Amino acid sequence: AQTVTQSQPEMSVQEAETVTLSCTYDTSENNYYLFWYKQPPSRQMILVIRQEAYKQQNATENRFSVNFQKAAKSFSLKISDSQLGDTAMYFCAFMIGGGADGLTFGKGTHLIIQP
Amino acid sequence: EAGVTQSPTHLIKTRGQQATLRCSPISGHTSVYWYQQALGLGLQFLLWYDEGEERNRGNFPPRFSGRQFPNYSSELNVNALELEDSALYLCASSLFRGRVYNEQFFGPGTRLTVL
Repeated sequence: AQTVTQSQPEMSVQEAETVTLSCTYDTSENNYYLFWYKQPPSRQMILVIRQEAYKQQNATENRFSVNFQKAAKSFSLKISDSQLGDTAMYFCAFMIGGGADGLTFGKGTHLIIQP
Repeated sequence: EAGVTQSPTHLIKTRGQQATLRCSPISGHTSVYWYQQALGLGLQFLLWYDEGEERNRGNFPPRFSGRQFPNYSSELNVNALELEDSALYLCASSLFRGRVYNEQFFGPGTRLTVL
């Protein structure tokens, strides 16, 4: 079975600062994907960024980037120039290729961006 | 293009009753996933339907069931409701293409409260 661990239940930073959210996972699979999802108070789960396990290059999407350390099974999310709209629950998630077992989520990190 | 829709937004039931939740996937998507987001337990994979068939289920009792219709919309039925079934139920749709990446797009969820 796969597990995903997020060790930071809550984080708070000032607007425009950079923040890093941590995630570790455990699996014996080789073909898998890792994701960061954002869930604002409106409840709609939004995909922020994804990383294919077979790719060594870290994924980047505008202000969001990941640090993927495959050997250490670590997958952190860095948010640069944080904005008030980044306030949300952030979930790290894992999926075996194809998605037959659905997504396995961590418990989430509540990120608060202070003005 | 319309996103994933779910109905109802809120549902209040009493213990022992049955609840029916509905999900309409994005046009062209054949797969529907159901997740339960319960307080303290995080997001857990419930069921996966593809092409009208139940393909996989998570670690939930048989009173959680559902079906997928020919138009790929889906119903989740929860029988003999228990207090701990109170949760946000999220539906996600994707286009299943075998053991390759297929993004899951989430709906806004149905909040089920069991009294």
